[in-house]
Amino acid sequence: DAKTTQPPSMDCAEGRAANLPCNHSTISGNEYVYWYRQIHSQGPQYIIHGLKNNETNEMASLIITEDRKSSTLILPHATLRDTAVYYCIVRDGNFNKFYFGSGTKLNVKP
Amino acid sequence: KAGVTQTPRYLIKTRGQQVTLSCSPISGHRSVSWYQQTPGQGLQFLFEYFSETQRNKGNFPGRFSGRQFSNSRSEMNVSTLELGDSALYLCASSFNTGNTEAFFGQGTRLTVV
Repeated sequence: DAKTTQPPSMDCAEGRAANLPCNHSTISGNEYVYWYRQIHSQGPQYIIHGLKNNETNEMASLIITEDRKSSTLILPHATLRDTAVYYCIVRDGNFNKFYFGSGTKLNVKP
Repeated sequence: KAGVTQTPRYLIKTRGQQVTLSCSPISGHRSVSWYQQTPGQGLQFLFEYFSETQRNKGNFPGRFSGRQFSNSRSEMNVSTLELGDSALYLCASSFNTGNTEAFFGQGTRLTVV
């Protein structure tokens, strides 16, 4: 399984866009990029996923580079409730297993 | 639509005992995966069941086992508990593989004393 690299922590001002980067340089053709977040040891919450096209839903946007070696999760207007650990995961489309890395601790500040 | 339900939420056991945790997936979901989360190792994949068959297994000792019933509900069992088994155990429910999302339950917090 491809591994991911994320910065350990990031700060963002409330109301501003939060851009969380992820490097997955060894990703292969049938592997999807997933993003989850976890707040206070609750169960991880699904945010968004994609294969090669950019994706947007009510929570966030996912931008995947053309070579698929990196991606960026964008929270358009961060709120204090978005403070969490964000995990970027590369998942083989044939299997239901996620390999979580260390994630990025996003701190949204007033 | 009800989410993923894990029971119990909290559990305290003594070293050497065994424990069984339960996970009820979202209605219609046939895949259930289990994860262990500890401060030192983070979130680690244990195993995945689909239609009552184990499809994938992580790198855990044989003391960790699981099963899935015909209604897709799943249980995991840990025998001969060790202090290091103290963790948050999470299950995730998914319709199938491929281009689908997995939804996690709130977890069972196991403390071994």
